[in-house]
Order: sequence, then C-alpha cells, then structure tokens
Amino acid sequence: GAGVSQSPRYKVAKRGQDVALRCDPISGHVSLFWYQQALGQGPEFLTYFQNEAQLDKSGLPSDRFFAERPEGSVSTLKIQRTQQEDSAVYLCASSLAGEVSEQYFGPGTRLTVT
Amino acid sequence: GQNIDQPTEMTATEGAIVQINCTYQTSGFNGLFWYQQHAGEAPTFLSYNVLDGLEEKGRFSSFLSRSKGYSYLLLKELQMKDSASYLCAVWDSNYQLIWGAGTKLIIKP
Repeated sequence: GAGVSQSPRYKVAKRGQDVALRCDPISGHVSLFWYQQALGQGPEFLTYFQNEAQLDKSGLPSDRFFAERPEGSVSTLKIQRTQQEDSAVYLCASSLAGEVSEQYFGPGTRLTVT
Repeated sequence: GQNIDQPTEMTATEGAIVQINCTYQTSGFNGLFWYQQHAGEAPTFLSYNVLDGLEEKGRFSSFLSRSKGYSYLLLKELQMKDSASYLCAVWDSNYQLIWGAGTKLIIKP
C-alpha cells in the first residue's frame, strides 16, 4: 500500500516568504507527527495530531509555525515569514494508534531559505 | 533536561559485528526505538524495546536495560548496504519521542 507522502520534496524560499508543506499519512493512521531535522542531527519534535485534534504543539519553535489537520487525514505545516534558521528537512510521520506504536515516515521536505 | 547520547560515528568491516550504544535520561520512559536512516532518506523502523532484555530480529538485535538507562543495537554479518545513520529514540512520559543525534555507521570492504 501507499506510504506517507510529502510535498514538495524540495522548497527554496526567500527570507520573509510564507511556505506550506503537505503531508499525506497512511490511510487509517490516527496519529500524525511533524519533525524538523537539521543536517547531522536527529529529528526534533514539532507537533502531534490525533485525528484532527492537535494534542501537542510544544515543539513548534515560534508563532511563525502553524500546523493543521482539519479532516483528520492530510496535514499542512505552514511557516510564515521564513528565516534562514528554518532551513532543514521537515519530516512527517504517521502511526496507526495514539499510544506507543511504530511511526512511518515520509520522505521529508527539504526547505532552504535564502 | 532530556538527553540521549550515542556515538557520532563508527566504522566496521563487511561481514563483522558492530554494537551501537545509546544512553538516555528522559522524563519518564514508555519504550525505546531504533531507526535506520540512509543519507537523504526518511528514518525506517528497526526495533522497539519496552522491557529489559534482548530482542532479536534477523541480523539485528536490540537490548534494553531500564535501570541503567542503556540500550544497544547489534548488527551482525554486516553488509555494505548497512552503511547508514542509526537513531535511538525514547518515548517519554508525555508520549513525545525524544531522538538522539544518530550514529553514522561506515562499512568498509
């Protein structure tokens, strides 16, 4: 079956621009996670959805970051007024259940802010 | 604070065995994951330990000691395709996954 997909795969934005990153989780997966991964580092948690409810957004680095999952499937991570420090790979993962379970990752979106 | 430590880089020979260690200090513990990540690709699941002991899955095994805050990933019969980063991650008491920086494993022929 289809895995987690993300689009775009690569995004170059000029500083100050807004960007929107999309994640299509595996069908039927309840939980959805967004991570930010800098080069040579492990993923850093950004936010977590269970269905359409955003249960944890403690990892969002600033109020420029906003995520939504209005119908409990596709999710969008929006970054307003991008800064150079936002350059990273943004990973989306989904899992079948809300409790501890294996997360399936998408290929990521590499964002470069110039 | 929360901390996960693993070596930055390791080198091993094709056909050999390598052990990648991970130590953690987290607020609570609900399990430990190992993921493999090839350069430029997403992490893929390898193992999950929540009880002490060794979990074996083919050429890969993972060990956990909760009292010591310690885990290792053991890779046997190394193949060139095993060259990748190996990420240790702990599910804390808030069910947030805390990740280590990863260990880059280089396999030499």
